[in-house]
Amino acid sequence: GAVVSQHPSWVICKSGTSVKIECRSLDFQATTMFWYRQFPKQSLMLMATSNEGSKATYEQGVEKDKFLINHASLTLSTLTVTSAHPEDSSFYICSARRDPSQETQYFGPGTRLLVL
Amino acid sequence: AQKITQTQPGMFVQEKEAVTLDCTYDTSDPSYGLFWYKQPSSGEMIFLIYQGSYDQQNATEGRYSLNFQKARKSANLVISASQLGDSAMYFCAMREGLGGNQFYFGTGTSLTVIP
Repeated sequence: GAVVSQHPSWVICKSGTSVKIECRSLDFQATTMFWYRQFPKQSLMLMATSNEGSKATYEQGVEKDKFLINHASLTLSTLTVTSAHPEDSSFYICSARRDPSQETQYFGPGTRLLVL
Repeated sequence: AQKITQTQPGMFVQEKEAVTLDCTYDTSDPSYGLFWYKQPSSGEMIFLIYQGSYDQQNATEGRYSLNFQKARKSANLVISASQLGDSAMYFCAMREGLGGNQFYFGTGTSLTVIP
């Protein structure tokens, strides 16, 4: 399968600070990446679709000014949680498809964010 | 209506036995894909198996097989010869429509393998 990495795997920050999470496809180019959020013992919720070279597509209810997504290259997408608050504490996980014709999304290992 | 329904919040299985994890889906699109992912306590989502709506045969991947019953809109995962390392959360997901990006995930089933 394809390899997707995320960095950092853990982050603890103070309320009001911004946190950047990186998602990289290591052995393939991904024109599209996806960002999910998962609360404890719950399912994954799609936050946004990250498109290389264009603006991200956000799901309903997701604040685009709070969750900034940048897909600067075919192997890197970043999610920045701006002015983080304790309610933003969650598990953030990205995924990518090896190419648009492929069905399977491959997931990164996730990033646990704790905002104090 | 829920796109993906997993009705078993938790399941237990004896080591070396087979277990079936249920998944039903709801879509009116003739083209869709069904997926199963495993999420151990570390959090990573591990792809297990895929079934396309037009696939004639049930998908199999090693000890994993997908019991695809199109008329019933079910896509149950069967794990044969359970191992202790199979203990994890299992999520059923659906990609709806041709080339659609969004995955709809079920609420997951927590599987515990008992020695």
